[in-house]
Amino acid sequence: EVQLVQSGAEVKKPGESLKISCKGSGYSFTSYWIGWVRQMPGKGLEWMGIIYPGDSDTRYSPSFQGQVTISADKSISTAYLQWSSLKASDTAMYYCARLASNYVDWFDPWGQGTLVTVSS
Amino acid sequence: QSVLTQPPSVSGAPGQRVTISCTGSSSNIGAGYDVHWYQQLPGTAPKLLIYGNSNRPSGVPDRFSGSKSGTSASLAITGLQAEDEADYYCQSYDSSLSGGVFGTGTKVTVL
Repeated sequence: EVQLVQSGAEVKKPGESLKISCKGSGYSFTSYWIGWVRQMPGKGLEWMGIIYPGDSDTRYSPSFQGQVTISADKSISTAYLQWSSLKASDTAMYYCARLASNYVDWFDPWGQGTLVTVSS
Repeated sequence: QSVLTQPPSVSGAPGQRVTISCTGSSSNIGAGYDVHWYQQLPGTAPKLLIYGNSNRPSGVPDRFSGSKSGTSASLAITGLQAEDEADYYCQSYDSSLSGGVFGTGTKVTVL
């Protein structure tokens, strides 16, 4: 079974750094793009960016370029989303999801989500 | 802000048919990129409902169907059931953004 399992909920203060993870299993991790999607409280889904673990090719939405860093460690089949200095506006649920085969394709499956709360 | 526009809400009685539109532009749907649909039940992660404009993954009831024409796409739910009450999102690729985009989302209410 193809599965993505994300790290647990985080509570951080503004200005702190954070790295959340997404571990893939049940498939060849290096052969599929992995993406990150943000959902702010009560709001819709936002496409943040994607990475191809095979060669670390990374693409960002213009809205998130420079705000977050997406990376992957193929030796442990894990993708990451990180912030160097969190803001209150980063409070959201973050989902990872696998792209079907090409970077223009659909997301399936999805991870369970990681809730990030940034508050002083 | 999203480049794919959906109605904020649609509603229908059990058994009825409802449709959700997804309006894009010449840089995404109109450029020939496929449209995909997701269902998000309250408090859960999104789930793929339709891929490649009109294809249903295994396990998705045939009450759900998708179509695409020009710069728009639609999701239809026939024989509406209480369990269909959820948020629905379309998704495509945008060449001007060089990345994927989601629709604004539509809440379906079963009366």
